[in-house]
Amino acid sequence: AQSVTQPDIHITVSEGASLELRCNYSYGATPYLFWYVQSPGQGLQLLLKYFSGDTLVQGIKGFEAEFKRSQSSFNLRKPSVHWSDAAEYFCAVAPFSGGYNKLIFGAGTRLAVHP
Amino acid sequence: DVKVTQSSRYLVKRTGEKVFLECVQDMDHENMFWYRQDPGLGLRLIYFSYDVKMKEKGDIPEGYSVSREKKERFSLILESASTNQTSMYLCASSNDRGLYFGPGTRLLVL
Repeated sequence: AQSVTQPDIHITVSEGASLELRCNYSYGATPYLFWYVQSPGQGLQLLLKYFSGDTLVQGIKGFEAEFKRSQSSFNLRKPSVHWSDAAEYFCAVAPFSGGYNKLIFGAGTRLAVHP
Repeated sequence: DVKVTQSSRYLVKRTGEKVFLECVQDMDHENMFWYRQDPGLGLRLIYFSYDVKMKEKGDIPEGYSVSREKKERFSLILESASTNQTSMYLCASSNDRGLYFGPGTRLLVL
């Protein structure tokens, strides 16, 4: 069965430090890949997505993610974290041929930022 | 900008009550979705609709129904609310550019 794993439930970093949030997926073929962010009390906002092509994807708010087929991973990175990045982050996958109704979300990683 | 609005941010209901959660989108999207969000479980799809009066069950439809009488509006109905339906409910709509979420409704069933 398809699945998405975010191994880290909580992560704490200092402001200005670099960040990497891990995401691994289990799928028979290369899926569509997404990262969403949810600020407290808000809905989810799309940070970036990968459909095909360049495996390093740039997103909003200075985030990037790299698709590694050999590792079935799609890790999210940011070189310097700001206090406003404190939020919950969700990785999601959808089948190559499917629509958003097939989207599978990971359990989320909650990011805390120390001043 | 795409705007998805949900009728309530917070709701408190009693066990056995009928509950309506309303969602409206202003971008003429064909597809609309209802998700449930619980800690440690991420988001799980309850129902989605691909056109007016058309719907499909998601992963956890039990205890829920939906209504889509107009393209812009998608309602989630809890026929008889139970305490295990206490959760955050997120509505979304989509086009080929992405999936757009509303702010969520936090429902507490006592």
